[in-house]
Amino acid sequence: EPEVTQTPSHQVTQMGQEVILRCVPISNHLYFYWYRQILGQKVEFLVSFYNNEISEKSEIFDDQFSVERPDGSNFTLKIRSTKLEDSAMYFCASWGQGTTDTQYFGPGTRLTVL
Amino acid sequence: DAKTTQPPSMDCAEGRAANLPCNHSTISGNEYVYWYRQIHSQGPQYIIHGLKNNETNEMASLIITEDRKSSTLILPHATLRDTAVYYCIVRVGDDKIIFGKGTRLHILP
Repeated sequence: EPEVTQTPSHQVTQMGQEVILRCVPISNHLYFYWYRQILGQKVEFLVSFYNNEISEKSEIFDDQFSVERPDGSNFTLKIRSTKLEDSAMYFCASWGQGTTDTQYFGPGTRLTVL
Repeated sequence: DAKTTQPPSMDCAEGRAANLPCNHSTISGNEYVYWYRQIHSQGPQYIIHGLKNNETNEMASLIITEDRKSSTLILPHATLRDTAVYYCIVRVGDDKIIFGKGTRLHILP
């Protein structure tokens, strides 16, 4: 069964450093998403991406965040200058088209900002 | 905010059917009902979805009321591995998923 993969599984960084989280969506999917989950809290939507541009973003997704699909297979989330409050699980998801399809989530990257 | 209402927690004995209710009284005609679950801190896992007809797959059954204002997810023979937070979500196609707090299902041995 096709699946969404994410790397790394755990990233530890110092406050103020840049991090890039990577995702490989399901190959024939066209819509891509990032969500995050702070420990003990709900899963929150960050951004959706379609046709090489952001289609929607939440208030959380400020100028410190960016997304890119650099090579047609990877989908990345960059945080330019990490803050302590960016520590969370980050989930990538992808969706095909058609009413029989749904969003499939990756296993997540645990980001720890020290 | 999530458009659904779910009980915060439920218990079910192992081997019995787990019936998880969800209210979505403001659902629109083109919105589907989706169920996901999250085991510990893993990525949310898709379970099933439907529009108005009842649906069944290898994991679960989804019963949607005729007026579509509520639904029930049924895990026919719950196991300890079904212990998770279950999310009922209404949305259309490419729309983002808005997660509520879900129902924390405890399977009791």
